[in-house]
Amino acid sequence: GENVEQHPSTLSVQEGDSAVIKCTYSDSASNYFPWYKQELGKRPQLIIDIRSNVGEKKDQRIAVTLNKTAKHFSLHITETQPEDSAVYFCAATENSGGYQKVTFGTGTKLQVIP
Amino acid sequence: DGGITQSPKYLFRKEGQNVTLSCEQNLNHDAMYWYRQDPGQGLRLIYYSQIVNDFQKGDIAEGYSVSREKKESFPLTVTSAQKNPTAFYLCASSIRDSGYGYTFGSGTRLTVV
Repeated sequence: GENVEQHPSTLSVQEGDSAVIKCTYSDSASNYFPWYKQELGKRPQLIIDIRSNVGEKKDQRIAVTLNKTAKHFSLHITETQPEDSAVYFCAATENSGGYQKVTFGTGTKLQVIP
Repeated sequence: DGGITQSPKYLFRKEGQNVTLSCEQNLNHDAMYWYRQDPGQGLRLIYYSQIVNDFQKGDIAEGYSVSREKKESFPLTVTSAQKNPTAFYLCASSIRDSGYGYTFGSGTRLTVV
């Protein structure tokens, strides 16, 4: 089955600096890679996603890159702000018999220091 | 809550008791999921359902049961066989095909007393 590894598990940055979270996956059949942000005690929310036919996607201060050959994808947050502090999860998704099988990473706790 | 509602928000269970967590969605999503989240850990899949009257075990189904009698509803029962049920439980729904993200509910925090 799919295995998703996520690093680092914790990340502290100064406000205004950039943050990068990296994930690797094992199954080349995975074709959709969402990222979720979970604030303390709240539900995860989809913040950005990328499909396997795209190498990079950007939405304001966040961007995601995908290297299919190396089987890794990354989340980049620029000009970090205190409200970016949260746990971020990556996921790899494959379509298995009409059902999307999702494997989550173990999460990265990002702390933005004012 | 973006079309998917979990209740209650907090739930306390006594030893040996079964409890049921509710999950309702009005997004017309075919697929629904239950995840368990422990402190400092990722999301572990308990059960999932692709269509009404069908559901499959996830990675940690022991001690849990579900039903899917209606498209909108996917309740989770935590049975007395689940020896360590204290956790944060998240319900999610999605369009069946790959390439669409999940919509999560706001979660239920279950505590054994």
